[in-house]
Amino acid sequence: GAVVSQHPSRVICKSGTSVKIECRSLDFQATTMFWYRQFPKQSLMLMATSNEGSKATYEQGVEKDKFLINHASLTLSTLTVTSAHPEDSSFYICSGINRRGGTDTQYFGPGTRLTVL
Amino acid sequence: QKEVEQNSGPLSVPEGAIASLNCTYSDRGSQSFFWYRQYSGKSPELIMSIYSNGDKEDGRFTAQLNKASQYVSLLIRDSQPSDSATYLCAVSFGNEKLTFGTGTRLTIIP
Repeated sequence: GAVVSQHPSRVICKSGTSVKIECRSLDFQATTMFWYRQFPKQSLMLMATSNEGSKATYEQGVEKDKFLINHASLTLSTLTVTSAHPEDSSFYICSGINRRGGTDTQYFGPGTRLTVL
Repeated sequence: QKEVEQNSGPLSVPEGAIASLNCTYSDRGSQSFFWYRQYSGKSPELIMSIYSNGDKEDGRFTAQLNKASQYVSLLIRDSQPSDSATYLCAVSFGNEKLTFGTGTRLTIIP
């Protein structure tokens, strides 16, 4: 397998503040990482694709100015939720693609639970 | 629109029995298929990947792929209470992105 870490695992913030979430691939280089959001009892919703050294690609309906993504190195991508509001409260999960043996496999980080008061 | 369908369950299986989870997908051009397990409050964990028609076995887990019928299944033999979780089927439609099904909630009854 492959290991992806996320930090923080849990964050509580006040409405209007910004929150940064880090996603790291620990034992492989991830030129591509993905950011997902999951609301209770729902499946994962892809928010954006993060590519090292280039701009992220956002899914339809996801505001790029609100969810800032930076992928500055082969092992680190960050998601910043700007001016967070209670409706942004969710479980945010990143994943990295491990390219090995001609196959691409996504491995997920442990997730960050964001609560906006 | 590319879709992945799963029966949401819940699916209840006695301990020691075989749990059978099914998934269908809409795009015949799909290339890669994955099963992830997600415990409540946790992120998905890769269980199996399968790329060609037929069966692939890994311990108590067997993935089955039938591209002609556009379905992929996961069998769990000798089900244990620790197998109780939501199982997500994911399909890659020719690019790096994964499209997930809504998941099947599995409960193993002791």
